[in-house]
Amino acid sequence: EAEVAQSPRYKITEKSQAVAFWCDPISGHATLYWYRQILGQGPELLVQFQDESVVDDSQLPKDRFSAERLKGVDSTLKIQPAELGDSAMYLCASSLRTGVMRLEQFFGPGTRLTVL
Amino acid sequence: GDSVTQMEGPVTLSEEAFLTINCTYTATGYPSLFWYVQYPGEGLQLLLKATKADDKGSNKGFEATYRKETTSFHLEKGSVQVSDSAVYFCALSQPGYSSASKIIFGSGTRLSIRP
Repeated sequence: EAEVAQSPRYKITEKSQAVAFWCDPISGHATLYWYRQILGQGPELLVQFQDESVVDDSQLPKDRFSAERLKGVDSTLKIQPAELGDSAMYLCASSLRTGVMRLEQFFGPGTRLTVL
Repeated sequence: GDSVTQMEGPVTLSEEAFLTINCTYTATGYPSLFWYVQYPGEGLQLLLKATKADDKGSNKGFEATYRKETTSFHLEKGSVQVSDSAVYFCALSQPGYSSASKIIFGSGTRLSIRP
């Protein structure tokens, strides 16, 4: 069964360092999402891509976070510099092309970030 | 804005007990409603969904009915198993053909089942 792949699964870094997370969606899924899940809370959307274009980044802290999906397939989320409050699980999800009603989002296993 | 409120955990039950996890929502229009489950160390999995009022979503013995009059989508299971131990998230998304189809999640309810 096709799955969303994410790496690394765990990342420990010191504050002010740069970190990057990678996501490979299910093949053929045009829509890709990055969520942040703080411990004890539900996931919150950071950014949504349709192919290579950003369609929603209203909750992305753009002073330190960036996301790209250059070829419309895999994606990278970067934080520079990392802050203590960035410690969280970063989840990637994908779905078939939207525009034909909402479609199920499939989630990857996540990257757990700890900032010391 | 739209929001989801679900009962706080943790919820601890004995095996074969009846489960209810309450979920209410605030939203304009007619959102779709979901329950996601997150097993330890894994990502979220869609458990069930309902797209219109009075729809009942069901999967793996779990059920939830979309109640527009009470803006609720409570999760139920008649007889829980140890393997049901996980965190359960109630969620909604708005309808339409918009390319921005984000899901709004509740804060999650941790369920622990004792053998």
